[in-house]
Amino acid sequence: AQSVAQPEDQVNVAEGNPLTVKCTYSVSGNPYLFWYVQYPNRGLQFLLKYITGDNLVKGSYGFEAEFNKSQTSFHLKKPSALVSDSALYFCAVRDNAGAGSYQLTFGKGTKLSVIP
Amino acid sequence: NAGVMQNPRHLVRRRGQEARLRCSPMKGHSHVYWYRQLPEEGLKFMVYLQKENIIDESGMPKERFSAEFPKEGPSILRIQQVVRGDSAAYFCASSLGQGAHEQYFGPGTRLTVT
Repeated sequence: AQSVAQPEDQVNVAEGNPLTVKCTYSVSGNPYLFWYVQYPNRGLQFLLKYITGDNLVKGSYGFEAEFNKSQTSFHLKKPSALVSDSALYFCAVRDNAGAGSYQLTFGKGTKLSVIP
Repeated sequence: NAGVMQNPRHLVRRRGQEARLRCSPMKGHSHVYWYRQLPEEGLKFMVYLQKENIIDESGMPKERFSAEFPKEGPSILRIQQVVRGDSAAYFCASSLGQGAHEQYFGPGTRLTVT
């Protein structure tokens, strides 16, 4: 079985400061990892993914994420937060093999508030 | 290039009625997924379909729920005899393929059962 944990329900950060949204995962095989963002009453927008290779992945809107296999983590980061980054962020995992290899399993989400 | 389309965006049904939710995948995508989002929770996988085939329905409730993706037309998620607990946002996603391919999500259908 695969699972995702986002330990923080809410993260507050001042505009211009760096931000980190945490994610840890569990899969039986090797993971495919994804970050999505959801604005109010909207669908999820894809930000970035880790499949293999370089542990630091760069994505849309200046976001990046670092894959750490030993800590089974995939934290989302941005060097300088914008007020427009305020939204709900979801981490998701997919096992690269087995019966769940096409199911995305999502964390419960982290609400990011960027304070002007 | 249009994204994933879902309609209706909002649907109100009385208990016992049927709800039909439609999803048109992105152009060129033949893999469709349905997810349900309950308030204050993440998305839960329901079903994965390719054209005319249900590949994985392990997340679907055993009764009242069904899904199809016909050769022509949109994918349909059908909920018969709705109950208040079915109230949720239902999201459809599509992808080019399995595995490493990311899924692109539609805006969702918000179902309210009164």
